[in-house]
Amino acid sequence: AQSVTQLDSHVSVSEGTPVLLRCNYSSSYSPSLFWYVQHPNKGLQLLLKYTSAATLVKGINGFEAEFKKSETSFHLTKPSAHMSDAAEYFCVVRDSSNTGKLIFGQGTTLQVKP
Amino acid sequence: EAGVTQSPTHLIKTRGQQATLRCSPISGHTSVYWYQQALGLGLQFLLWYDEGEERNRGNFPPRFSGRQFPNYSSELNVNALELEDSALYLCASVYSRVYNEQFFGPGTRLTVL
Repeated sequence: AQSVTQLDSHVSVSEGTPVLLRCNYSSSYSPSLFWYVQHPNKGLQLLLKYTSAATLVKGINGFEAEFKKSETSFHLTKPSAHMSDAAEYFCVVRDSSNTGKLIFGQGTTLQVKP
Repeated sequence: EAGVTQSPTHLIKTRGQQATLRCSPISGHTSVYWYQQALGLGLQFLLWYDEGEERNRGNFPPRFSGRQFPNYSSELNVNALELEDSALYLCASVYSRVYNEQFFGPGTRLTVL
């Protein structure tokens, strides 16, 4: 069975400092991996996706993630945090069956301090 | 282009009642997924509809059901509501094939008293 584990439930950074949100995945197949962001009282927005092309994936709002098969990791990074980045972040793997359903990690709350 | 819309935004029901949640996908999208985001349980897959048919369901009891209409909009029904059904219910739509990106709506907040 496929799964993702987000290693931190809460991350706090100062504005202007780098962001690192960690995610490990478990999959027997070459996975399709995503990062979604959820701002308070909002739906989910796709930040970026990995679908077996380049291992370094660039997303919106300056975020990027690197797929590392040897470490089964897909960590999300951003060089400089903005106050508007404060939100809940989800690492997601698409189920390998033909359902296409998404399997979510437990989420990481990012706090950005002024 | 309009995004995925869901109604109502909030819904308050009492235990034992029925709730109906609605989702309108992006124009041209034929697949709709439903997910439940409950406190402490995270986001879990509920149901998948494609071309008017239920294609797959998650690990939820049969009182969670729904349908997809000819215009591809979808309805989620929850019967015999229980307190633990209180959650944010998210709908996502996909263009045709399951391997495309899922676009999410803002959700319906269901509160069961």
